[in-house]
Amino acid sequence: AQSVTQLDSQVPVFEEAPVELRCNYSSSVSVYLFWYVQYPNQGLQLLLKYLSGSTLVKGINGFEAEFNKSQTSFHLRKPSVHISDTAEYFCAVTTNSGGSNYKLTFGKGTLLTVNP
Amino acid sequence: KAGVTQTPRYLIKTRGQQVTLSCSPISGHRSVSWYQQTPGQGLQFLFEYFSETQRNKGNFPGRFSGRQFSNSRSEMNVSTLELGDSALYLCASRLQGRTEAFFGQGTRLTVV
Repeated sequence: AQSVTQLDSQVPVFEEAPVELRCNYSSSVSVYLFWYVQYPNQGLQLLLKYLSGSTLVKGINGFEAEFNKSQTSFHLRKPSVHISDTAEYFCAVTTNSGGSNYKLTFGKGTLLTVNP
Repeated sequence: KAGVTQTPRYLIKTRGQQVTLSCSPISGHRSVSWYQQTPGQGLQFLFEYFSETQRNKGNFPGRFSGRQFSNSRSEMNVSTLELGDSALYLCASRLQGRTEAFFGQGTRLTVV
């Protein structure tokens, strides 16, 4: 079975500062990894995904993440955050390549608060 | 292309009642899955449907059920509602063979 740990439940930062949101996963087989963002009273929006290939993946809104197999991590980064980035961020994993028995396993989320 | 549409957005029900939530996937997506989001348990997988068949089920009691229609629209039903069923219910759709799922806005269910 797979699991995801998001190490920080809350991350406060100032506007224009860099940010890193940490995610570690556990799985005995190959994984596919995702970051989703949730704004208040909204659903989940896909920020980026790692399926295979290059370990550095770029997503929307200037976010990027790096897959590190040896450290079983998939940390999310942004070099300069904006007030509008304030939201909850979820790391998710699946070991299924898209067929039957597919499900996403999510971390508990990290609330990013960007202060002026 | 329209995204995943969930209706209604908000619901208030009384303990013991039942409720049905609806989800229309992105056009062309035949796989629909449901998740429950609560402050205490986070996001938990309920079940997934593909071509009107349930293919995977999470660890929820039998009061939680679902179905999928031939047009890929899906409904989720919760019977004999309990206070603990209060949650945001999220529906996601994806293309068969693809790993990324796209979520709707959710239905906020409050049980009183």
